[in-house]
Amino acid sequence: QQPVQSPQAVILREGEDAVINCSSSKALYSVHWYRQKHGEAPVFLMILLKGGEQKGHEKISASFNEKKQQSSLYLTASQLSYSGTYFCGTGVGAGSYQLTFGKGTKLSVIP
Amino acid sequence: DAGVIQSPRHEVTEMGQEVTLRCKPISGHDYLFWYRQTMMRGLELLIYFNNNVPIDDSGMPEDRFSAKMPNASFSTLKIQPSEPRDSAVYFCASSLGQIHTEAFFGQGTRLTVV
Repeated sequence: QQPVQSPQAVILREGEDAVINCSSSKALYSVHWYRQKHGEAPVFLMILLKGGEQKGHEKISASFNEKKQQSSLYLTASQLSYSGTYFCGTGVGAGSYQLTFGKGTKLSVIP
Repeated sequence: DAGVIQSPRHEVTEMGQEVTLRCKPISGHDYLFWYRQTMMRGLELLIYFNNNVPIDDSGMPEDRFSAKMPNASFSTLKIQPSEPRDSAVYFCASSLGQIHTEAFFGQGTRLTVV
């Protein structure tokens, strides 16, 4: 079952902050976050694993609430380059890469 | 490294024809993934390989779809026969060492079946 992302779309001015949420009805082992610009390939942002391990780029922060099966991606002091569609992919097993992706959150940063 | 390379970038074919999409992963990467992206269904994982061996193909939609990885530097996704509903962008991605790590995506192949 697809995770639910919210909001579906958001418009920010440069310098503003945003939070993108990803919620699943299943018990999760991992949450993978990617950003995709129009006409381009998805680009890795962050992985969060059950137990607290995180792998990602320094400027990106995220959280994973294992009890609620929710993850949030925090974008602070947004830049024009942050614009794009953000996807979360959720996995239920440590030994499996069978990810299910949400429909995405479209972020637009304007001057 | 040039990154993950996919070919062709665009493919237009007639219904019923065979289509073969190609992927060259990043050298040294031992995991390879095939994804499909459509407006309706979003991003879907079709199949993934580890050390050239298919591990999970549960995302492959039908028997018309098949994927192979004859060696560490090459993989194909074949659709035979193709149908209009197969129209989508197909991405190949690769990663190193483990499944829960950064995956690098190719630029994708936009397939249109008419």
